[in-house]
Formats: sequence, C-alpha cells, structure tokens
Amino acid sequence: DSGVTQTPKHLITATGQRVTLRCSPRSGDLSVYWYQQSLDQGLQFLIQYYNGEERAKGNILERFSAQQFPDLHSELNLSSLELGDSALYFCASSVFGTGLNEQFFGPGTRLTVL
Amino acid sequence: TQLLEQSPQFLSIQEGENLTVYCNSSSVFSSLQWYRQEPGEGPVLLVTVVTGGEVKKLKRLTFQFGDARKDSSLHITAAQPGDTGLYLCAGLYGQNFVFGPGTRLSVLP
Repeated sequence: DSGVTQTPKHLITATGQRVTLRCSPRSGDLSVYWYQQSLDQGLQFLIQYYNGEERAKGNILERFSAQQFPDLHSELNLSSLELGDSALYFCASSVFGTGLNEQFFGPGTRLTVL
Repeated sequence: TQLLEQSPQFLSIQEGENLTVYCNSSSVFSSLQWYRQEPGEGPVLLVTVVTGGEVKKLKRLTFQFGDARKDSSLHITAAQPGDTGLYLCAGLYGQNFVFGPGTRLSVLP
C-alpha cells in the first residue's frame, strides 16, 4: 500500500460524458501527478500540482482539466469523452515539487468509455 | 517517437536465469529512475541513478547509468517468479516526466 488513494477503482461511461477522478496523496506529500496508461501509449504524464498550484504540464488534452484543493487532494476532470480515452489513470504523490524525486503511485482508476 | 526506448519489449525466462533489460534515449537526462509495475497496481520505484557511470545494487538487481547519461540497464541475477512484472524507466525531461514503454518480464517456475 503506497498510501495514495484513488476513487473510483472502475468507471464505465459513454462517449460524450464527463467524469471526475479523485486522488488523495500520501500524508505530508505536497505534489500530485496524474498519468494516463494505455496499451499503445504506455504511461503518459498529464499534469503536476504542487501545494495547490499547477507545476508542470504534459500531454494533457484540452478536454481534460485538473485541480488540487487546499486539503491537497486532487481531481482530474475528463469531458466530452471519446473511445480512445479508455485507459488506466494513475495519480502519484511526492514530497517535493521539483526534480526526479520518488513518486508513490495509487492503484489507479480504470476508465472504460463505451 | 518515444523519448525513451526500452528493450526487449517482452522477455520470458526460466527461474534461475540471468537477464538484462535496456533503456535508451538520444537525449541526456539529469537522472533516471526504474520502476516495477505488477498487474492491477501502480508502478513502484526501484532506484534512482544520478551520476553518469553510476552502478547501484538492490539485492539481485543491478542498475547502471550510462557515462553519457543517455542510457541505463537493469540486470537481474537468478530471476525468480516474484520478479515478474512490467519494468519501466523514467526520466525528467525539462519539467515533464517521461516514461519508457516498458519491458514486460515473465519468470516461469
């Protein structure tokens, strides 16, 4: 158990819909990262927040957005869903916001878009 | 085009065999990490290498960072079924974290 929690574990929805994925970081970690993992693209970095502020942006689509709240939990919002958005979405947390410091990954949310 | 390439893509070996997997890039990384991911779980950090030429050992696992900091290898001695999983290398590229596609290792008893 990494100490990072993600909900829900599974999510099945239809094209065009909007979903919200939730992540609670390890106690004491200020930084949260979101990743998408699919069979053909591997693990892709989406976005990073540090202490409530956006720190780095990766391959995140405009239809996707995220935020980190004052209690440090984070949400990833996916809208106008397409079949290709079906993937595992991981949240990770770390103490620091810079450098290649150790990231602790949650168990993931498996999103299926039908 | 992947910034980090990993080879082989798949590897199936018998328990007790040795193996090496590779992580390569045309770019220089200030540091590089190796993770192992088991089915249905998130990746777990194994090691971080920082200095070119650095070698780190973790029990039966030996990690090496290339002198030019563009490549890395992971060598497993006397593999065990518990080593089965997806091995990912990752580097910090600018502000973004880049992962390789992974090597999927299967160790048969």
